[in-house]
Amino acid sequence: SQQGEEDPQALSIQEGENATMNCSYKTSINNLQWYRQNSGRGLVHLILIRSNEREKHSGRLRVTLDTSKKSSSLLITASRAADTASYFCATDAVNDYKLSFGAGTTVTVRA
Amino acid sequence: KAGVTQTPRYLIKTRGQQVTLSCSPISGHRSVSWYQQTPGQGLQFLFEYFSETQRNKGNFPGRFSGRQFSNSRSEMNVSTLELGDSALYLCASSSGLAGGGEQFFGPGTRLTVL
Repeated sequence: SQQGEEDPQALSIQEGENATMNCSYKTSINNLQWYRQNSGRGLVHLILIRSNEREKHSGRLRVTLDTSKKSSSLLITASRAADTASYFCATDAVNDYKLSFGAGTTVTVRA
Repeated sequence: KAGVTQTPRYLIKTRGQQVTLSCSPISGHRSVSWYQQTPGQGLQFLFEYFSETQRNKGNFPGRFSGRQFSNSRSEMNVSTLELGDSALYLCASSSGLAGGGEQFFGPGTRLTVL
């Protein structure tokens, strides 16, 4: 079974717009990460946020984490056609040695 | 550094057969994890190996097994294949530190069971 839910399941936006997706999880975590997957290929790591951090930036990506609500959000600013992909949040716990993934959000960026 | 490699990339088998998938981690990484991805169940953790020891195992039947060699390369085996085993099998490598962290994924092996 998966750790949590992602919302929305799918998102369609115009190039240049921002895309926001949310992730909720169920148990205490050590880290929360976001990954991107293009067309059923391997996962590419985007950003990691630790449980004691609230916000993190990397290029056009902004991630927030609210451990009291067990939720995270990923914002992609100024989207490009190349951002079209599925995005997954994944959590890990101390000494768990595994990632628990959400169901993913499919993002389509229209030219 | 070369990335994570998985072989074969595509595989077609029939029910009842067995299959072995291979994963070579990034040089210097001692942890290898395996995940199964299906449209219905999403990404699910199979098992993780560190220095030839299995440290965690997901909720899969005993038909799914794995091992890791002294050079950190890993194999997973699925015996008595069922139609529901059709999936993308992803391997990931990492340093394996207890604090967790980024995992580097291979391109996956797409298994089709007929």
